[in-house]
Amino acid sequence: QQQVKQSPQSLIVQKGGISIINCAYENTAFDYFPWYQQFPGKGPALLIAIRPDVSEKKEGRFTISFNKSAKQFSLHIMDSQPGDSATYFCAASPPAGIGQGGKLIFGQGTELSVKP
Amino acid sequence: DAGVTQSPTHLIKTRGQQVTLRCSPISGHKSVSWYQQVLGQGPQFIFQYYEKEERGRGNFPDRFSARQFPNYSSELNVNALLLGDSALYLCASSPRDRGRFQPQHFGDGTRLSIL
Repeated sequence: QQQVKQSPQSLIVQKGGISIINCAYENTAFDYFPWYQQFPGKGPALLIAIRPDVSEKKEGRFTISFNKSAKQFSLHIMDSQPGDSATYFCAASPPAGIGQGGKLIFGQGTELSVKP
Repeated sequence: DAGVTQSPTHLIKTRGQQVTLRCSPISGHKSVSWYQQVLGQGPQFIFQYYEKEERGRGNFPDRFSARQFPNYSSELNVNALLLGDSALYLCASSPRDRGRFQPQHFGDGTRLSIL
């Protein structure tokens, strides 16, 4: 019940195209869903995040779509650029409780390659 | 403003040894979390500390321990190192522990290699 499943494992997109990465979760009590971008040799960088009372959030070229009933959320990268080539992780925060403070559960990651 | 800083950046140890990793959070952040990232996988939660108290613990053996200092910096200690402990160890900070989940900001990690 604590898992977050991410797909696809890898993705190749042409420059200017739309990149779509999907995640599914099981615990309906999760209440915070961030996406992180990670370049080789670097730590994950927070891209955008959403809470379950909102169905969509957009920041620049990045959009999160959230489907609470299906327990799924996705990241859309519009006008994908070669500089977007990185590994993307979805994550979810379990409900606050004893021993659960500050815990993010991450998906397995998607390696995105944007071809020029 | 400086982000989360971690030291050292790389470390090589042998099996059975002990290691201490260090983290300085973003200025003003009082909560620090530690994660282990094995190559090709997502980060796995190890600990969270807030105001020097442990607030969360992941599914890691007792060989892993941590503490937080009055200036909110933190150390992660791993004893009796195993080959499987080879990973990138990430530190993340957030403003506080109370209320709804706070966004976590990560450092670039310490790459630990066990020979």
